[in-house]
Amino acid sequence: NAGVTQTPKFQVLKTGQSMTLQCAQDMNHNSMYWYRQDPGMGLRLIYYSASEGTTDKGEVPNGYNVSRLNKREFSLRLESAAPSQTSVYFCASNRGNQPQHFGDGTRLSIL
Amino acid sequence: GEDVEQSLFLSVREGDSSVINCTYTDSSSTYLYWYKQEPGAGLQLLTYIFSNMDMKQDQRLTVLLNKKDKHLSLRIADTQTGDSAIYFCAETPRSNDYKLSFGAGTTVTVRA
Repeated sequence: NAGVTQTPKFQVLKTGQSMTLQCAQDMNHNSMYWYRQDPGMGLRLIYYSASEGTTDKGEVPNGYNVSRLNKREFSLRLESAAPSQTSVYFCASNRGNQPQHFGDGTRLSIL
Repeated sequence: GEDVEQSLFLSVREGDSSVINCTYTDSSSTYLYWYKQEPGAGLQLLTYIFSNMDMKQDQRLTVLLNKKDKHLSLRIADTQTGDSAIYFCAETPRSNDYKLSFGAGTTVTVRA
């Protein structure tokens, strides 16, 4: 049972490059989320998708876009990467008010 | 996030009990959670408590909730080296069930 799968696990980018982080869940969850984790700051919500076809901004959406491709997949795009976006990115999913399940993260470094 | 606060570090001797504390500001919180993160891994749900409960016990884990003081604690009995990790407290505000607010995390180090 895979749960929440994130790809890639690691990535190094140069400032100004673009990339898309992929997330897929196989638990038939309605809601999906993208967080970033920075030292001493816990996890902060970037964007979320309450259901297929909808997306909403979280606490720190600037510099990111998202796409809810279908019920299983929710991608996060950096159009022009900046060093301030160096972080660990986590995808999560849940159904209703049940606990969120997390992927293993993508470690992104921007030089 | 600033809505949820935790102390950053805790050192405990193997075999002792660990107590991790958390305070939150949203009095309308519905669920409160404890997640565990081991090095290089994602977040693993440890336990959660609904806001109308005072206590929940699950094997070595005991969660206590004081709604009046907006204080949540996690007690780990007989702490083992495998319990070394970062522990995150999180809440789901009633006003927006989709938003999960996290504390900064408490790094627990278990020493022999």
